Amino acid sequence: KAGVTQTPRYLIKTRGQQVTLSCSPISGHRSVSWYQQTPGQGLQFLFEYFSETQRNKGNFPGRFSGRQFSNSRSEMNVSTLELGDSALYLCASSFGQINTEAFFGQGTRLTVV
Amino acid sequence: GIQVEQSPPDLILQEGANSTLRCNFSDSVNNLQWFHQNPWGQLINLFYIPSGTKQNGRLSATTVATERYSLLYISSSQTTDSGVYFCAVVPYTGGFKTIFGAGTRLFVKA
Repeated sequence: KAGVTQTPRYLIKTRGQQVTLSCSPISGHRSVSWYQQTPGQGLQFLFEYFSETQRNKGNFPGRFSGRQFSNSRSEMNVSTLELGDSALYLCASSFGQINTEAFFGQGTRLTVV
Repeated sequence: GIQVEQSPPDLILQEGANSTLRCNFSDSVNNLQWFHQNPWGQLINLFYIPSGTKQNGRLSATTVATERYSLLYISSSQTTDSGVYFCAVVPYTGGFKTIFGAGTRLFVKA
């Protein structure tokens, strides 16, 4: 059974550009959530999607957005990149009930220069 | 919002030693998981344990939900156990939002 797949694995972008990251969940999982990991702030929740609907979001500026498609694949977009957006972005998938186990992808490491 | 505190922040062990990592949370939770982050950044599932006790080989975990803490035990540690261990909770209130602790960084010396 394939795990959670994130693409691309590595990205280098310039300040002011925008970026789109992709996450394909485990087959049968309908929930995808996104996290940002930085050395200073640790692992922070960005948003969670279930059946194409955002159910919750963290405390991030509007430059961070996401969406989920009918096949449960999800994308997150960061516009007008800042140096501080350099981070490891992780996504997780689960069946979507409140008390189910989440599984993480390998992450996308974004560097903004 | 809920606070998740992990202790100790750093731990150095000699190979073969045992250790206990702790996760305290400030409010009721629906869900609690322990993860090990490998050097490449991936979070590896260790335990899904909102309550009770589980064991998997040299690792075991206990969550006492009524007292708002969870413990991860590592016995006979190996160098491959090195890395960062995270506790993550889904609060009882606040919906589908996972909150991570700051992690415990473990280094096992050969």
